[in-house]
Amino acid sequence: EVQLVESGGGLVQPGGSLRLSCSASGFTFSSYAMHWVRQAPGKGLESVSVISGNGDSTYYVDSVKGRFTISRDNSKNTLYLQMTSLRAEDTAVYYCVRRTTGWWFDTWGQGTLVTVSS
Amino acid sequence: QSVLTQPPSVSGAPGQRVTISCTRSSSYVGAIYDVHWYQQLPGTAPKLLIYANDNRPSGVPDRFSGSKSGTSASLAITGLRAEDEADYYCQSFDGSLSAWVFGGGTKVTVL
Repeated sequence: EVQLVESGGGLVQPGGSLRLSCSASGFTFSSYAMHWVRQAPGKGLESVSVISGNGDSTYYVDSVKGRFTISRDNSKNTLYLQMTSLRAEDTAVYYCVRRTTGWWFDTWGQGTLVTVSS
Repeated sequence: QSVLTQPPSVSGAPGQRVTISCTRSSSYVGAIYDVHWYQQLPGTAPKLLIYANDNRPSGVPDRFSGSKSGTSASLAITGLRAEDEADYYCQSFDGSLSAWVFGGGTKVTVL
């Protein structure tokens, strides 16, 4: 069974840091580009970062550039999102998502909640 | 403002047909790529509902159908059921932004 399980969310103060992890199983992890998609409370979906299958290429939405770093360890089938200089507007559920070659998202994790508040 | 515009809400009685539009915002230029649709039931992660405009993944009932024409796409739900009450999102790739983008979401209410 294809599965994605996120961890690492929690409460952090503004300006703080957090690292999210996503453990993948049931498929050849290195063959897929992976995204972090977030959803603020009561709001819609936003793809904030993506990394290619081999990790050579990354992309960030403007609002997180310079603050978030996406990475992956294909030997451990794990995706990461290092978040620094966190702001209140980063408060959201963060989903780890597998993207197909056809550019749709076919597998989603259960999500991990990040709350930035003093 | 989202690149893709959806109505905030639609509603229908059980058994009826409802449609959700997904239109490229006039503020952006160029065609949209293939459109995909996701269903998000309350308190759960989104789930792929339609991919590449009009294709259903295995397990998705044929009550759900998608279409695309030019810079617009639509999701139709026929024979509306109580369990269809959810948020629905369209998604595509924006070549001018080089970004994967979502519509703002549409809440479907079964009356």
